[in-house]
Amino acid sequence: QLQLQESGPGLVKPSETLSLTCTVSGGSISSSSYYWGWIRQSPGKGLEWIGSIYHSGSNYYNPSLKSRVTVSVDTSKNHFSLKLSSVTAADTAVYYCARRYTAILQYYFDYWGQGTLVTVSS
Amino acid sequence: DIQMTQSPSSLSASVGDRVTITCRASQSISTYLNWYQQKPGKAPKLLIYTASSLQSGVPSRFSGSGSGTDFTLTINSLQREDFATYYCQQSYSTLITFGQGTRLEIK
Repeated sequence: QLQLQESGPGLVKPSETLSLTCTVSGGSISSSSYYWGWIRQSPGKGLEWIGSIYHSGSNYYNPSLKSRVTVSVDTSKNHFSLKLSSVTAADTAVYYCARRYTAILQYYFDYWGQGTLVTVSS
Repeated sequence: DIQMTQSPSSLSASVGDRVTITCRASQSISTYLNWYQQKPGKAPKLLIYTASSLQSGVPSRFSGSGSGTDFTLTINSLQREDFATYYCQQSYSTLITFGQGTRLEIK
């Protein structure tokens, strides 16, 4: 059974960089049909897609965050990572990692991590 | 950006009821529409993909329909465990966007 697990600091100071890692177990991050992504949810709010990456390193980001976001992948460790720079209180959210199935006419997030709350505060 | 608008924002229903949630896209997205269920403190769970395909393991009382700009999620014979928040999500554009959610509450 595929599992995704987010890890990283739960508290980040304003103007610093948020860093999270998603470790994939029970399957290979190098599988050809999948992208790997980050989605966040501010307290009491809806879902916002942050960015996605393929095992080759090909990535794409939400334009609203693109100037501050880097998503990278390490296939040797079977994990991918998120860095969000210059954070403010508006970046306080639960951050989820997820697998995105990608095939002709089919694109959906089928496995999700449990989520990790990151609070931006001094 | 493709805006996804769900209605209603919240809904009260009873066990055994049939409910329908609507999702409208700001432009045509063919059938690149997925539905998720989220319970408090949990990650979203995929229910329906490509507008009408039922994800493996999801009860058959859930169904989806639609194409273009208008989509519906229908839950037949509501069960207690179905009370949750539901989100639609489009994957037509490389900029993935979600609806604002529909909270389904017990009447």
